[in-house]
Amino acid sequence: NAGVTQTPKFQVLKTGQSMTLQCAQDMNHNSMYWYRQDPGMGLRLIYYSASEGTTDKGEVPNGYNVSRLNKREFSLRLESAAPSQTSVYFCASNGVQRTDTQYFGPGTRLTVL
Amino acid sequence: GEDVEQSLFLSVREGDSSVINCTYTDSSSTYLYWYKQEPGAGLQLLTYIFSNMDMKQDQRLTVLLNKKDKHLSLRIADTQTGDSAIYFCAEFTGGSYIPTFGRGTSLIVHP
Repeated sequence: NAGVTQTPKFQVLKTGQSMTLQCAQDMNHNSMYWYRQDPGMGLRLIYYSASEGTTDKGEVPNGYNVSRLNKREFSLRLESAAPSQTSVYFCASNGVQRTDTQYFGPGTRLTVL
Repeated sequence: GEDVEQSLFLSVREGDSSVINCTYTDSSSTYLYWYKQEPGAGLQLLTYIFSNMDMKQDQRLTVLLNKKDKHLSLRIADTQTGDSAIYFCAEFTGGSYIPTFGRGTSLIVHP
């Protein structure tokens, strides 16, 4: 099992450009999440998908959109990137049981100039 | 509302014990987790404890839960330089698929 994979690992954008961060998991998990991590702020939830076909806003959804393409894949789109979106983005997934831990991807480091 | 708090930094000498503390406010917390994040990597689960437990031990790790004070701690015995990382406390409450994370404690281990 590869677990949770994310692409790309690094990205530099100019203000106003758009891009999509890809995430896939091969553990047959129902729930998937997108977080951003900024120094001193911990993890902040952007969007999540409790199951295939559903998505919901998290704590900081503004400026982002998501697509749960199928059970495996959950993508995050920045339509018009801003410097405030410079961050490290993590995708995570977990199964149905509460004892199931969240499994995290390795992260995407995004810089918006 | 839900809130999970941790101190931001902890510095220890190699071979000593480290104790990382966490407080939470949601009394319906069901599961509490400790994650470790090494530089440039994602979070990895270290251990977890159910709310009906007081203590859990796993090799060098000991988790203590004080439900009355809503206080969780992680003790790392014989701390090594490889333990240097950021440690996150997280809680899941019953009925929610969204965990609440603390801001993370940076553990620095000196030789």
